Amino acid sequence: DGGITQSPKYLFRKEGQNVTLSCEQNLNHDAMYWYRQDPGQGLRLIYYSQIVNDFQKGDIAEGYSVSREKKESFPLTVTSAQKNPTAFYLCASSIPGAGYTFGSGTRLTVV
Amino acid sequence: AQSVAQPEDQVNVAEGNPLTVKCTYSVSGNPYLFWYVQYPNRGLQFLLKYITGDNLVKGSYGFEAEFNKSQTSFHLKKPSALVSDSALYFCAGRTYKYIFGTGTRLKVLA
Repeated sequence: DGGITQSPKYLFRKEGQNVTLSCEQNLNHDAMYWYRQDPGQGLRLIYYSQIVNDFQKGDIAEGYSVSREKKESFPLTVTSAQKNPTAFYLCASSIPGAGYTFGSGTRLTVV
Repeated sequence: AQSVAQPEDQVNVAEGNPLTVKCTYSVSGNPYLFWYVQYPNRGLQFLLKYITGDNLVKGSYGFEAEFNKSQTSFHLKKPSALVSDSALYFCAGRTYKYIFGTGTRLKVLA
């Protein structure tokens, strides 16, 4: 079955540490997205990529970085510059005019 | 500025009663509108979309939504609610950019 796989499901980060969240899709979608979800704030766009080797900052890109070396993969790195990283992170992909397909999410907690 | 608003943080409805989850939009041009559902600790699942054509859109799990251009609304509806419908619902709009509402928590009471 086609879909999006996010890993790990739960991730713990120490202060000052960089961590990378994985997002892989086998839907052959060109566009991929990273969102952050906090209680009561809905979804906020971190980064998006419309095509391989290209990506754009979303509304809250500071403290995050991404790469898009392969169509299937869009990993998100949460750097030490992100001062409040505890949140639920969602990856999604889409084709033009269609809705998004979401992964199951990664819950990141700072310890 | 483009926006999608869900005016209710939570909606409570008794099982078997009809439910409505409200969404209004301010999106330029001809918007694409979507509804998603999210269960705890899961990603969002696509329910239905409106692009053009019939104003009443039918989607998954017996849900439907009515596009009303004059009221700029896209309310989600279901004739008879189930306890298993309890979840977080997001409305979204898209022109050149995808915009999500803040979500409405639906609680169906047995």
